[in-house]
Amino acid sequence: DAKTTQPPSMDCAEGRAANLPCNHSTISGNEYVYWYRQIHSQGPQYIIHGLKNNETNEMASLIITEDRKSSTLILPHATLRDTAVYYCIVRVSTNYGGSQGNLIFGKGTKLSVKP
Amino acid sequence: DAGVTQSPTHLIKTRGQQVTLRCSPKSGHDTVSWYQQALGQGPQFIFQYYEEEERQRGNFPDRFSGHQFPNYSSELNVNALLLGDSALYLCASSLEDGPPYFGSGTRLTVV
Repeated sequence: DAKTTQPPSMDCAEGRAANLPCNHSTISGNEYVYWYRQIHSQGPQYIIHGLKNNETNEMASLIITEDRKSSTLILPHATLRDTAVYYCIVRVSTNYGGSQGNLIFGKGTKLSVKP
Repeated sequence: DAGVTQSPTHLIKTRGQQVTLRCSPKSGHDTVSWYQQALGQGPQFIFQYYEEEERQRGNFPDRFSGHQFPNYSSELNVNALLLGDSALYLCASSLEDGPPYFGSGTRLTVV
């Protein structure tokens, strides 16, 4: 089962910031939070990931709470092309010492960006 | 730099048949994972290959098998196809602890 909880859907006005919340209260100390998005019938697209510090790249920002039990993905200026299902994933640790565990997807948040 | 490529993009098979799907990882990536995505659901992990060995496996029957070649490309084989195997099959590649990158998938329809 997925270790994350996300709202099933959200709306956002074009040009405004989209803030997508995620709860992961059972996350372990060495497990990363990953965000992907999937536009209909395409493969999931990697957005960003982090362990405990906030992260920013050209696509988005990731804010992780100090207790690591929740996080927020921020799309600073949403466009119509950002309409997609967004998945928050806790990447499981492995039994061979690496962090290349598989991704356990939940149902995600369907973000609709409206003009 | 080519990303993850999968072939074919679509195919239709009959119940009981066998199918092979192919994946070429992103340049420089050495780890390949396969996922199954049923309509309306999130992707589910099938297995992961590294150094030509299956390193992790999800909750899928033995009908699902795979292979990784020395050039890191990979195949997913499904035997004795069932109607319920109809899905989008996704391949993802990664390097060490880096994020997995997904291909566009193969849409398999079993009739």
